[in-house]
Amino acid sequence: EAAVTQSPRSKVAVTGGKVTLSCHQTNNHDYMYWYRQDTGHGLRLIHYSYVADSTEKGDIPDGYKASRPSQENFSLILELASLSQTAVYFCASSDRGSSQNTLYFGAGTRLSVL
Amino acid sequence: TQTVSQSDAHVTVFEGDSVELRCNYSYGGSIYLSWYIQHHGRGLQFLLKYYSGNPVVQGVNGFEAEFSKSDSSFHLRKASVHWSDSAVYFCAVSANNNNRIFFGDGTQLVVKP
Repeated sequence: EAAVTQSPRSKVAVTGGKVTLSCHQTNNHDYMYWYRQDTGHGLRLIHYSYVADSTEKGDIPDGYKASRPSQENFSLILELASLSQTAVYFCASSDRGSSQNTLYFGAGTRLSVL
Repeated sequence: TQTVSQSDAHVTVFEGDSVELRCNYSYGGSIYLSWYIQHHGRGLQFLLKYYSGNPVVQGVNGFEAEFSKSDSSFHLRKASVHWSDSAVYFCAVSANNNNRIFFGDGTQLVVKP
């Protein structure tokens, strides 16, 4: 079954530490995205990628890096985690063309930075 | 830049009631409009989308949405809600020439028995 799988599902990190969130998709989709969701708000785009070995900045890229080593995998990296990065992070994938705006989401990673 | 506005943060109805969740957007060009549902603790799931043609689009589980260019709206409706429809609903918009999707802040729907 096609899916988007995120790991870990939850994480507690210390301020200033490095955090890596991983995402794996079996949808054979070209596009992958990282969004963050803060309580009571919608999703904001951090980084996205439309091909392996290439990433693009979204609307709130500061403090985050992304890596797309293969079509299936897309990681979000927080080099120096900060309290303000406490949030739920969602990975998503989509296809090209007319289906490109239909996103398939993972279950999310709840990150708490202390 | 596209923007999406969902004017109601919370909507409470009783099982069997009809419901309309409102979405307004701002963008001058050709766009895709979508609705997603998020159950508690889960990722978002696609419900339906509109790009062109019939302004009323059907989704899963009896949901439908109607596009209105004059009102810049894409409201979601259901004729008879079930308790399992309790969730947060997000409206989303993207331009047809790029892959950036912008989400509203969501409307939490509570269906009481």
